[in-house]
Amino acid sequence: NAGVTQTPKFRVLKTGQSMTLLCAQDMNHEYMYWYRQDPGMGLRLIHYSVGEGTTAKGEVPDGYNVSRLKKQNFLLGLESAAPSQTSVYFCASSPGTGSFYSNQPQHFGDGTRLSIL
Amino acid sequence: DQQVKQNSPSLSVQEGRISILNCDYTNSMFDYFLWYKKYPAEGPTFLISISSIKDKNEDGRFTVFLNKSAKHLSLHIVPSQPGDSAVYFCAASRNYQLIWGAGTKLIIKP
Repeated sequence: NAGVTQTPKFRVLKTGQSMTLLCAQDMNHEYMYWYRQDPGMGLRLIHYSVGEGTTAKGEVPDGYNVSRLKKQNFLLGLESAAPSQTSVYFCASSPGTGSFYSNQPQHFGDGTRLSIL
Repeated sequence: DQQVKQNSPSLSVQEGRISILNCDYTNSMFDYFLWYKKYPAEGPTFLISISSIKDKNEDGRFTVFLNKSAKHLSLHIVPSQPGDSAVYFCAASRNYQLIWGAGTKLIIKP
């Protein structure tokens, strides 16, 4: 019963370094999402994917890239990390069958805490 | 411009009493509203939702009310239990995206 697994759980980077966050889900979900959560704010959508090989921009996509080469994996990349990207990153997935406008709650991983010095 | 607002950062309620968490929104195009619960160091977990065409949805101790004219929804928890202590997020859906409020920290006092 793994659900949504995020690796790593913690990471400290220096400004300008690059890294990739990995999200894996074992529920055969079509849709996957990357969010960031900053203190005193709600989750904000960075990028999302409605199926293998597809990606789309969310609310705050600048400075991030994503890839969905396999249905179960969704990768979030930071090409040149900046202090403003210090945050907690959450990955989520949802079934995506039928109309998106039906009630299809998202299932979340436990987050990656990322600090950029 | 916050489209979904939770104006109370925290709420303290006696065990056994009713907890009422509130959420306001500005965009009348939202089609679903959801409540998530989050414990420290964990991801949010889905609690309950309501379609924009309904005004009430109930699931056990949890009831969500939607007032479209006031663009307001609320989550009622009756009776409140110690395990309900968590951060509660209100979220609204539109165009493949969820827009989230900042959360309300609920503390249940014994």
